[in-house]
Amino acid sequence: GDSVTQMEGPVTLSEEACLTINCTYTATGYPSLFWYVQYPGEGLQLLLKATKADDKGSNKGFEATYRKETTSFHLEKGSVQVSDSAVYFCALSTFSGGYNKLIFGAGTRLAVHP
Amino acid sequence: NAGVTQTPKFQVLKTGQSMTLQCAQDMNHEYMSWYRQDPGMGLRLIHYSVGAGITDQGEVPNGYNVSRSTTEDFPLRLLSAAPSQTSVYFCASRQTGLLGEKLFFGSGTQLSVL
Repeated sequence: GDSVTQMEGPVTLSEEACLTINCTYTATGYPSLFWYVQYPGEGLQLLLKATKADDKGSNKGFEATYRKETTSFHLEKGSVQVSDSAVYFCALSTFSGGYNKLIFGAGTRLAVHP
Repeated sequence: NAGVTQTPKFQVLKTGQSMTLQCAQDMNHEYMSWYRQDPGMGLRLIHYSVGAGITDQGEVPNGYNVSRSTTEDFPLRLLSAAPSQTSVYFCASRQTGLLGEKLFFGSGTQLSVL
């Protein structure tokens, strides 16, 4: 069935370091892909999305490109800040049983130190 | 600008007790869903609803009941709580159409079953 696989965390970085969180997916058809972020004590928020192959989603300095050939949607940021410390979830939207459903990866915790 | 409101934020139950987690949204979204979040497993879909009077099972529905009598409300019921239901629960509603697909999450309910 459809699934999302993320790199395991935690990822620990110093401020201003480069970030990459890997995400690969398995899906039939052409899913939309998402990154959600969960800050401590809060619910998830949409960070960015891409709806078709080669699309690049971007927000708050984060980017991810929909790569159909490698079934990947890696999250990147050139210079992280302490405020980026959170759990990041990769997700895909799939049409199943007559309705769209979101399937999430296990999440990757990011800790950024000054 | 309330969005998705979940109550309570914290709850402790004894095995066999029942309770209802409340969820309300004020964005007139047709689609609402309940997820549980467990360490290392990301978010798993419990139940979802595509509109008032329509509900369906997600990935992990056993032990949970839902109903959708209005567009705004989507309560989750635990009829006889078990320790395996200790988790963090999130309610979400989904925006679709011209504005694009996006999930809005509540702030979560941390449930402990002793």
